[in-house]
Amino acid sequence: DAGITQSPRYKITETGRQVTLMCHQTWSHSYMFWYRQDLGHGLRLIYYSAAADITDKGEVPDGYVVSRSKTENFPLTLESATRSQTSVYFCASSEISGANTGELFFGEGSRLTVL
Amino acid sequence: GESVGLHLPTLSVQEGDNSIINCAYSNSASDYFIWYKQESGKGPQFIIDIRSNMDKRQGQRVTVLLNKTVKHLSLQIAATQPGDSAVYFCAETSVQTGANNLFFGTGTRLTVIP
Repeated sequence: DAGITQSPRYKITETGRQVTLMCHQTWSHSYMFWYRQDLGHGLRLIYYSAAADITDKGEVPDGYVVSRSKTENFPLTLESATRSQTSVYFCASSEISGANTGELFFGEGSRLTVL
Repeated sequence: GESVGLHLPTLSVQEGDNSIINCAYSNSASDYFIWYKQESGKGPQFIIDIRSNMDKRQGQRVTVLLNKTVKHLSLQIAATQPGDSAVYFCAETSVQTGANNLFFGTGTRLTVIP
C-alpha cells in the first residue's frame, strides 16, 4: 500500500545498545524528516533530508545518525542509546520543503523505551 | 491554549458545539502557521495552514485565525463531532529563512462529550 511506514512500531532496548528505526515512503517525496515526541515538548525535529544523500541537523540531533542512500528510505540510528532517548519517534515526508508547505505526511510512530 | 509544561492543556466540549483551540507563538519572524491533529496512537495529520499575509482562512468545518499583533493563532472547529477528539498542535516556521523545520507547540487535547 502507498504511504509512509515505520518499523518497528515498538522497541525496548538497553542503555548503550545501537538501535535503528526504519522509515519507508512510497510517494517519492523529496523531503523526509525525523521527529521525536515527548510530553511537554511537542514534536522536535531531529534530522531532515532534502533528497537522497543530503541530510541536515534539526533541533535535537545529538546522539542520532541518519542516512539517505535511496529516496524512499530514511533510517534513524541511535548509536549508543540513552534513557533520555526514550520517546515516540515519527518519520514524515513532504513533496516540497516545509517552508513552502506545512503539509507533512507522518508515519504512525515508533515507540522506543531505553532501560 | 498551548504552553510548555508536563501537563497537556485540555478542552472539553459538547458534541455539536463549536471548539476554539488557542496557540501563542513567540518568534516574530514566523510567517507560516499550520494546525495538525493527532489521534491516539497515530501520527499527526495536517488540518489547515495560514500565511502571515492573511488573518483568516477557512476549510471544511475549520477556521484558522491569525493575530500577528499579539502573536496568537486559533483553530475553530464548527459543530464538533466525536471524531474530532484528538490532540491538536500548532506549528510555525519562516518561509523567508527557507527553514525546513516546523516548530510545534506542546498540543491541546480536545475531548468531545457525546
